[in-house]
Amino acid sequence: DGGITQSPKYLFRKEGQNVTLSCEQNLNHDAMYWYRQDPGQGLRLIYYSQIVNDFQKGDIAEGYSVSREKKESFPLTVTSAQKNPTAFYLCASRQGALGYTFGSGTRLTVV
Amino acid sequence: QQQVKQSPQSLIVQKGGISIINCAYENTAFDYFPWYQQFPGKGPALLIAIRPDVSEKKEGRFTISFNKSAKQFSLHIMDSQPGDSATYFCAAGSMDSNYQLIWGAGTKLIIKP
Repeated sequence: DGGITQSPKYLFRKEGQNVTLSCEQNLNHDAMYWYRQDPGQGLRLIYYSQIVNDFQKGDIAEGYSVSREKKESFPLTVTSAQKNPTAFYLCASRQGALGYTFGSGTRLTVV
Repeated sequence: QQQVKQSPQSLIVQKGGISIINCAYENTAFDYFPWYQQFPGKGPALLIAIRPDVSEKKEGRFTISFNKSAKQFSLHIMDSQPGDSATYFCAAGSMDSNYQLIWGAGTKLIIKP
């Protein structure tokens, strides 16, 4: 089945620690996105990538980093510079004018 | 000009009633208007989408109404069921921006049995 796999489903981070969220797609989509969702809130764009080896900052990129070395993979690192990282993180992909396909999300909690 | 304004923020509807969620946009270059449905703890999933060459699109109990002159579009859920309880997002995209979506803020819909 084609889709997007996000892992892990739950992640706990200690203060000052960097953590990496995985996002893999087998849809052969060119574009990939990372969104942050806080409780009861909408989707805020962190980073996006239209092609391999290229990515752009979204609205809330500070404290996050990404890479796009392969078409299928778009990992997100939450760095220690992100002071309030507790949130639900969603990865999505898109091809052309077709709709976005989302993963099931990673819930990150600072402990 | 890139914003998509969605209302209401939350909505409670009795089972069997009609749920209506509205969105408005400014950018006349938008030519793709999807609605997404999100259940708690899950990613949003595409529900239904419309392009501006039609004024209405229906899929089962879900209908998008589109008013190009008013720059508004809305989602109607007929015969609303408790299983429709979810958060709904409208969005807009254009060929100019390679169909990168601009999202509404979301509407939390609760259907009371």
